[in-house]
Amino acid sequence: DVKVTQSSRYLVKRTGEKVFLECVQDMDHENMFWYRQDPGLGLRLIYFSYDVKMKEKGDIPEGYSVSREKKERFSLILESASTNQTSMYLCASNSGLHDEQYFGPGTRLTVT
Amino acid sequence: DAKTTQPNSMESNEEEPVHLPCNHSTISGTDYIHWYRQLPSQGPEYVIHGLTSNVNNRMASLAIAEDRKSSTLILHRATLRDAAVYYCILSILWEGNTPLVFGKGTRLSVIA
Repeated sequence: DVKVTQSSRYLVKRTGEKVFLECVQDMDHENMFWYRQDPGLGLRLIYFSYDVKMKEKGDIPEGYSVSREKKERFSLILESASTNQTSMYLCASNSGLHDEQYFGPGTRLTVT
Repeated sequence: DAKTTQPNSMESNEEEPVHLPCNHSTISGTDYIHWYRQLPSQGPEYVIHGLTSNVNNRMASLAIAEDRKSSTLILHRATLRDAAVYYCILSILWEGNTPLVFGKGTRLSVIA
């Protein structure tokens, strides 16, 4: 059974903290993606990666960075968390162009 | 931009077929049509995708108009477990990859 796992289901952080969200996939997929989901705005793409150490900006990269040191792991980093980054964060992966994406369960981050 | 248009909500009776429409008038020749659904408190789940021909799988059928400017997701017999937000998405080549750009989706309610 294919699997995308995220390090936490719920996370509470303070303003200004550095936050790491981890995503791991066990399907040997080339591509990995980070989205955030907010009520009324739907899912928006933050960053994606098509290979180890490679990354591309999505629609809303400001305030975020990513790291992909190993093929199975894609990390989203909030350098200095702010309250407007309170959101549901979803990680996904797929193997190639136009292929179905497999999503993790999400991390609900609250920044106070 | 989401590039697809869907009704905000639809309602169906249990055990009846459901036809979920989607307009994508700006689709280009290499864009795939994807459908995902999201159940409450879960990440999105792949349903089906296609390019030109109609597609069937164990979950649903996808009917694509001849001019490809619209498509319809068909659930053959709705169950209460099919109540979810359904997203119609174009898989567009971007920076050498095909990340998904989600719109608002259609919230499907199923009545027992």
